[in-house]
Parts: sequence; C-alpha cells; structure tokens
Amino acid sequence: DIQMTQSPSSLSASVGDRVTITCRASQAIRNDLGWYQQKPGKAPKRLIYAASNLQSGVPSRFSGSGSGTEFTLTISSLQPEDFATYYCLQHNSYPWTFGQGTKVEIK
Amino acid sequence: DVQLVQSGAEVKQPGESLKISCKGSGYTFTNYWIAWVRQMAGKGLEWMGSIYPGDSETRYSPSFQGQVTISADKSISTAYLQWSSLKASDTAMYFCARLVTGIDYWGQGSPVTVSS
Repeated sequence: DIQMTQSPSSLSASVGDRVTITCRASQAIRNDLGWYQQKPGKAPKRLIYAASNLQSGVPSRFSGSGSGTEFTLTISSLQPEDFATYYCLQHNSYPWTFGQGTKVEIK
Repeated sequence: DVQLVQSGAEVKQPGESLKISCKGSGYTFTNYWIAWVRQMAGKGLEWMGSIYPGDSETRYSPSFQGQVTISADKSISTAYLQWSSLKASDTAMYFCARLVTGIDYWGQGSPVTVSS
C-alpha cells in the first residue's frame, strides 16, 4: 500500500495568515492526488484535483502543487470559513489512501 | 446536479446484519465508480472499496476485504455496503462517493452505531 504522510497534524493560525500543508507519498504517484476540506458533521469537499487543479467554485486562495512524492496545499490568506480539517487522497493505485488529516484551528 | 443520497442512521446490536444504500442521480450511474469511505468518531478517512455499477466490478482495501460486501443495483442507480455480522468496532460514519480523478462528489454520510 502507498502510505501518505501528512503534516502537520494540526496548526493554529490567524485570519489572513498563509498556511501550507504537505503530503508525502511512500512511492511516486505522478499527480494522482486530491485535497479535501471537511467541517464537523459534514462530508468532505474537494478543493484540488490532479495535484494542482482548482475545483470549480473553490476560492482562488486555495492552491496545490507537487508531483511524484511531495505535494503541498496552500491557503494564501486564511479566512474564517477555512477553519476545518484537510486531507490528501492518492488515487494512483489500490488501495487508495488518505493522509491522516490536518486540523486548522483559530489562533 | 449530481447527488448521492444515502440511507439514514442505523442502530444495531453486535452480530446483526446491515445493508446501507447510496442512490445516485443527475448523471449516468453505470458510467462511474462508487466508493465507500469509513470515518470513525474523531478519526480520519479510510477508503474501504469501490464498485463499477456498469458491470459490478469491485475492488476492496485489504483492511476491509472479507469484512464487508459492496454491491450495486444499476436498475435503481443504487450502491450498497453490507455487513453479515456487525461488531462494536463497525460503529462509524460511512460515506459513499463518486470517483472522477479521485473523488468528486460525496454522499451526506450514514451513521452506524453497533451497541448491545
């Protein structure tokens, strides 16, 4: 199985801060990675697909980068509605695997 | 609009069987894989397996192989996740999701509680 190591597991940040979350794959997965936001009691929502493509309707302050084994989700200016948990998902090979999640909390 | 509507909350006893459902609408159900994802309370997301409703090809995570059965009825655009004998450790929220370059749409989730 491909292991996805996501870091940090949690972070505290203020509105307006730039936030970066990283996922590392245990083997190369090309750009077969997505980023998801989940708020308490809700289903996840896709933010980024194919590592760097912004999902329709998602604000442009979200961006993704990377290929191979290292990937990054960046929120350029954190907004109040962005406080949530974020997950990466590799879909390069079965079984698909998620990162452990990053909880973004208010400082 | 694409929608995945899941069945409601279930409360079961250990050893009982259960089948939860996920009905797709707003797209051609047979043309897209559907996955099931588990989320235990306060924990992360776990991919359980997926099915292609067009021909019922299934793929399971080794962690869930033999523990659950994924099926689909394309005549009613519905996918299922089934247990033959529930355990307390099956208590979780279960999401279905459509697969397009990863997961693009999610169901609202079906909470399952297994308790004596």
